[in-house]
Amino acid sequence: GENVEQHPSTLSVQEGDSAVIKCTYSDSASNYFPWYKQELGKGPQLIIDIRSNVGEKKDQRIAVTLNKTAKHFSLHITETQPEDSAVYFCAASGETSGSRLTFGEGTQLTVNP
Amino acid sequence: EADIYQTPRYLVIGTGKKITLECSQTMGHDKMYWYQQDPGMELHLIHYSYGVNSTEKGDLSSESTVSRIRTEHFPLTLESARPSHTSQYLCASSGLRGELFFGEGSRLTVL
Repeated sequence: GENVEQHPSTLSVQEGDSAVIKCTYSDSASNYFPWYKQELGKGPQLIIDIRSNVGEKKDQRIAVTLNKTAKHFSLHITETQPEDSAVYFCAASGETSGSRLTFGEGTQLTVNP
Repeated sequence: EADIYQTPRYLVIGTGKKITLECSQTMGHDKMYWYQQDPGMELHLIHYSYGVNSTEKGDLSSESTVSRIRTEHFPLTLESARPSHTSQYLCASSGLRGELFFGEGSRLTVL
């Protein structure tokens, strides 16, 4: 089955700096790669996703890049703000998993004012 | 804003009690899921359903059971709770694009 690894497990940045979280996946048939943000006491919420026919996608301060050859994808947050502090999860899915998402281990991002 | 609801949000019970965690969605999604999340953050799939009368075990073995009698409702039951069942349980449903919508979670503590 699919295996997703996520790094780093914790990340601390100063407000205004950029943050990058990286994930690798094992199943070359995976074709959908979402990112979720989980704030304290809440369920994860989808913030951006990318499909395998696209190499990069942006939405305001967040962007995701995908390298299918290397089987890795990354989340980039620019101009970080304290409200970006949360746990971020990457995930991957494809037809071989019945479209069920396999999640990475999560990254605790802290943005210091 | 996703319309998926979990109750109770918090539950503290004694060992041996039977509990049911409720999950309802109003989006008409066929696919629904239960995840277990421990303080270490990782999300572990314990049950999923692709429609009415369809339930499957997830990647992480769980003593809980689920049912799917109605599209919008996917309850999780523990017949006899134990301290090892203490965890956060997250319900989700998925749309046509495969994206998951999560509920706020049910935090269970078994004494």
